[in-house]
Amino acid sequence: NAGVTQTPKFQVLKTGQSMTLQCAQDMNHEYMSWYRQDPGMGLRLIHYSVGAGITDQGEVPNGYNVSRSTTEDFPLRLLSAAPSQTSVYFCASRDGQNVGYTFGSGTRLTVV
Amino acid sequence: RKEVEQDPGPFNVPEGATVAFNCTYSNSASQSFFWYRQDCRKEPKLLMSVYSSGNEDGRFTAQLNRASQYISLLIRDSKLSDSATYLCVVRNNNDMRFGAGTRLTVKP
Repeated sequence: NAGVTQTPKFQVLKTGQSMTLQCAQDMNHEYMSWYRQDPGMGLRLIHYSVGAGITDQGEVPNGYNVSRSTTEDFPLRLLSAAPSQTSVYFCASRDGQNVGYTFGSGTRLTVV
Repeated sequence: RKEVEQDPGPFNVPEGATVAFNCTYSNSASQSFFWYRQDCRKEPKLLMSVYSSGNEDGRFTAQLNRASQYISLLIRDSKLSDSATYLCVVRNNNDMRFGAGTRLTVKP
């Protein structure tokens, strides 16, 4: 099993550009989430999904959109990139309420 | 106040030492608790879940005190390979909140 796969691993964007961060999992997990990690702030939840067709906002959703058309895929869209969105983005999935997340290897995004 | 608070460290300990990390959380209705480790420039990886009765996995022991809203992680006989950042995680319904992490360096 590949687990949670994120692409790309690195990306540089110009302010105002849009892009989609891809996330796919092959473990048939219902729950998927996107986090961003900034120095000294820990991981902060952007959006999450409890199953195909269902998404909800997390702690820091502004500037991001998500969709969950299949169980496997949970892409994160940056609508108009801003320097404040420079961060490391992690996608994660879990199977059930009382288990921990499995994380992808992350996307390092720089907005200039 | 952050929902999950940890001492950022760093903790610098010699090999073989015992080290303890603490974590407090603000939501008394929190339902599940975990410790993760994160190596530099890598993704977080689940270390262990934390149960009300306390639980042990080899050299690692986790404790939960719901009344005090406090979680701990004890590492015995520290190894060089234990050097990492340890993240405390608390679940409230569908929302998992992470502490900012405690950095541990184990030295020869």
